[in-house]
Amino acid sequence: QKEVEQDPGPLSVPEGAIVSLNCTYSNSAFQYFMWYRQYSRKGPELLMYTYSSGNKEDGRFTAQVDKSSKYISLFIRDSQPSDSATYLCATGQGTYKYIFGTGTRLKVLA
Amino acid sequence: NAGVTQTPKFQVLKTGQSMTLQCAQDMNHNSMYWYRQDPGMGLRLIYYSASEGTTDKGEVPNGYNVSRLNKREFSLRLESAAPSQTSVYFCASSVAGRPYEQYFGPGTRLTVT
Repeated sequence: QKEVEQDPGPLSVPEGAIVSLNCTYSNSAFQYFMWYRQYSRKGPELLMYTYSSGNKEDGRFTAQVDKSSKYISLFIRDSQPSDSATYLCATGQGTYKYIFGTGTRLKVLA
Repeated sequence: NAGVTQTPKFQVLKTGQSMTLQCAQDMNHNSMYWYRQDPGMGLRLIYYSASEGTTDKGEVPNGYNVSRLNKREFSLRLESAAPSQTSVYFCASSVAGRPYEQYFGPGTRLTVT
């Protein structure tokens, strides 16, 4: 079992839809949870991070962590074609080593 | 403010050749990292440098060496390239005490034939 599992997609949604992207992880010691956006042939860009359980909101993006089920989610409201990218989740204990998911490819159709 | 820069952008090597990938950051970050990204594998940490003067192994260090030249620069060296090292290599950096907040460079696409 991989330490972090992420559905590769692609996930196609119409413009304006609410998008839900998800990851599961196996190590209950993980405390930090990050979401990165990666456009084709570019480097990952940090969207947001959360510590422990709960929600965090930044504009149209909301990150949610449920430590009891080892499940992390990223919601995108009012999705735009410019949101089309691969979304990577990552998690770790707060040291220098983090485990990344393989990414979910999102396509927002105009 | 260029952020994290990497050179070269693309490189083709023959098996057994050596090369150094360069990374520099202008954000005054203490910590720097090297990752490789392969299809279906996600980003994997090769080496990291928590601060100037220190380096440590990550998940996949075999076949690589690193040098933290100064606070700004962190290089990755392949001494004898192998086809299994064909990948996209990313450098990242973070502020001291916030390793969960990493900023990535644009990547180097390396092909070893």
